[in-house]
Amino acid sequence: LAKTTQPISMDSYEGQEVNITCSHNNIATNDYITWYQQFPSQGPRFIIQGYKTKVTNEVASLFIPADRKSSTLSLPRVSLSDTAVYYCLVGDWDRDDKIIFGKGTRLHILP
Amino acid sequence: NAGVTQTPKFQVLKTGQSMTLQCAQDMNHNSMYWYRQDPGMGLRLIYYSASEGTTDKGEVPNGYNVSRLNKREFSLRLESAAPSQTSVYFCASTHDRGVSEQYFGPGTRLTVT
Repeated sequence: LAKTTQPISMDSYEGQEVNITCSHNNIATNDYITWYQQFPSQGPRFIIQGYKTKVTNEVASLFIPADRKSSTLSLPRVSLSDTAVYYCLVGDWDRDDKIIFGKGTRLHILP
Repeated sequence: NAGVTQTPKFQVLKTGQSMTLQCAQDMNHNSMYWYRQDPGMGLRLIYYSASEGTTDKGEVPNGYNVSRLNKREFSLRLESAAPSQTSVYFCASTHDRGVSEQYFGPGTRLTVT
C-alpha cells in the first residue's frame, strides 16, 4: 500500500476555496486516490476518487498531475460546516483488500 | 435501508471483562472492516473480512477477535478488555475491495476502566 503524507492541520475562512495536498511518491500504476471526510463523532464519508487528471462532483474537485505523485482536494467556497478531518488514501482497486487511513488533515473553517 | 448499524452505541467495561461489538449491513456488501479511532487520531484498521468466511488482520489486531457470521454481520470481540482499548470503534463495509467506497457505521464509544 502506498504511503501518503498530508498536512496535519489547516485553517481557512468561510467563502474561500481550500486546497489540501496529499503526497504519495510511491504510488503504483494501478493505484487509485480516494478522499474521505470525517465530522466529529461520526464515521468517515467518501468524498471523491480519481486515477488521473481531474475529477469533479457536487462536493469537491480532485486534481492529479501527470506523475501522480501528489493530489489536491479542492473545496470551493467553504462554510463552517466544512470543518472536519480529511483523509487521503491510495490503493489498488484489484489487489488491495484493505486500505490505510492515516491521521488525515484537520481543517478548521473560521467565520 | 439502514446502511451499516452498530450496537451498542456506548459501553463501559472494567479491565478484564469481555464483550462483543456487533455490526450489520444491509447493502449486500462483500467486504467488512473494523477500525478504532483514539482521540485526535486517525483510523486504524483492526481486522477485515474481504468476503464471507474469510478474515484477516489489519494494523492493530492484538487483543481482538472477529467473526464474519454471514454476509451481513461482522462482530468484534474483546476477550479481556484493557484500558488501552478505550476508543471509538467503527465498522465499515464496501461492495468490492478496500479501495471502493466504504460506508461507515455510527461508531461504538468504549471506555475501559
